[in-house]
Amino acid sequence: AQRVTQPEKLLSVFKGAPVELKCNYSYSGSPELFWYVQYSRQRLQLLLRHISRESIKGFTADLNKGETSFHLKKPFAQEEDSAMYYCALIMDNNDMRFGAGTRLTVKP
Amino acid sequence: GAGVSQSPRYKVAKRGQDVALRCDPISGHVSLFWYQQALGQGPEFLTYFQNEAQLDKSGLPSDRFFAERPEGSVSTLKIQRTQQEDSAVYLCASSLMNTGELFFGEGSRLTVL
Repeated sequence: AQRVTQPEKLLSVFKGAPVELKCNYSYSGSPELFWYVQYSRQRLQLLLRHISRESIKGFTADLNKGETSFHLKKPFAQEEDSAMYYCALIMDNNDMRFGAGTRLTVKP
Repeated sequence: GAGVSQSPRYKVAKRGQDVALRCDPISGHVSLFWYQQALGQGPEFLTYFQNEAQLDKSGLPSDRFFAERPEGSVSTLKIQRTQQEDSAVYLCASSLMNTGELFFGEGSRLTVL
């Protein structure tokens, strides 16, 4: 069963514009959600996790249990934000499932 | 090394051959994951170990796929009688228990001709 949905495969914005990458999840237990990022020619790496309520590189994400969403937002996109972004869900048995990813392109 | 290491980085196999992909996790990391990533797709879960115990293998696509981690460190993913649809990047990741932060290797790209 699909547990993490990222409806946009591609997203393109201009530098300085706000960006929102959407993520919805389906899970009956208590969700822990993450955003991972893969920059060109680099490894997949953690960007942020909902439990920390942190802002990393200007990105934030809020868990909305009513809408089962965990959208990633940044008010002013930068060219170096261009990358693949994956939303991920960790389940009660500690295994982690990923969405299909969104490729963000920030144009100059 | 400091990170997760995978080998080989690239593997070309003829259909029907067996392949073995190796993962060296970060020392001390309890959890180890294998994912399959097809072109243009996200990482698809294959299997998960906690130390030497394989706690979840529900993602393995067929009985041709087998993974082991006998001493709780290095893991091997074996694919028997490879098929063209097995062509993908196989990602290994490790983590300290319960942190949720996975550290990924660079992946092993398998091409089955």
